[in-house]
Amino acid sequence: DAKTTQPNSMESNEEEPVHLPCNHSTISGTDYIHWYRQLPSQGPEYVIHGLTSNVNNRMASLAIAEDRKSSTLILHRATLRDAAVYYCILNRNSGGGADGLTFGKGTHLIIQP
Amino acid sequence: ETGVTQTPRHLVMGMTNKKSLKCEQHLGHNAMYWYKQSAKKPLELMFVYNFKEQTENNSVPSRFSPECPNSSHLFLHLHTLQPEDSALYLCASSQGTGYTEAFFGQGTRLTVV
Repeated sequence: DAKTTQPNSMESNEEEPVHLPCNHSTISGTDYIHWYRQLPSQGPEYVIHGLTSNVNNRMASLAIAEDRKSSTLILHRATLRDAAVYYCILNRNSGGGADGLTFGKGTHLIIQP
Repeated sequence: ETGVTQTPRHLVMGMTNKKSLKCEQHLGHNAMYWYKQSAKKPLELMFVYNFKEQTENNSVPSRFSPECPNSSHLFLHLHTLQPEDSALYLCASSQGTGYTEAFFGQGTRLTVV
């Protein structure tokens, strides 16, 4: 399975944008880039995913490099509720099979008031 | 509320007990998963079910026994567990493709004494 590399932790100030990087240099053509986050004492929560083009939704934006070897999750205006562990995961589209997600250690995002 | 419900939320059991964890989803998903999250460790995929058939057993000890009677329900039967099995057990469901998101339950916090 292709692996991802993320910084262990990042710190940002409330109401400022946050850019969370992820490297995935061994990504294959059928791998979708997914982001999940996990708040304390809760299960992971889906944030966003993409394949080649940049994506936006109500929670965040995903910027994908042209060679797909890296991506950046963008929180446009961080709030204290965004403090969580953020996971960048490659999810292979294996033609109808269900492979499950491989989680790494993620990035612990700390938001300062 | 993610649409995936796990019960119980907390469980304390002795090493000689037998207990079961339950997971239920009414999202119309065909794939269901069990994950384990030990303290200070990444989430580990345990089992994958696709259309009620087990498609992956990630080298899980036989003291953990999954059951999937239909696409909406998933159980994890526990017997003769060890203290090191204490962890957060998470259930998830998805459509089973790389381009759709997984939905996680809140988890069952298991303590083995």
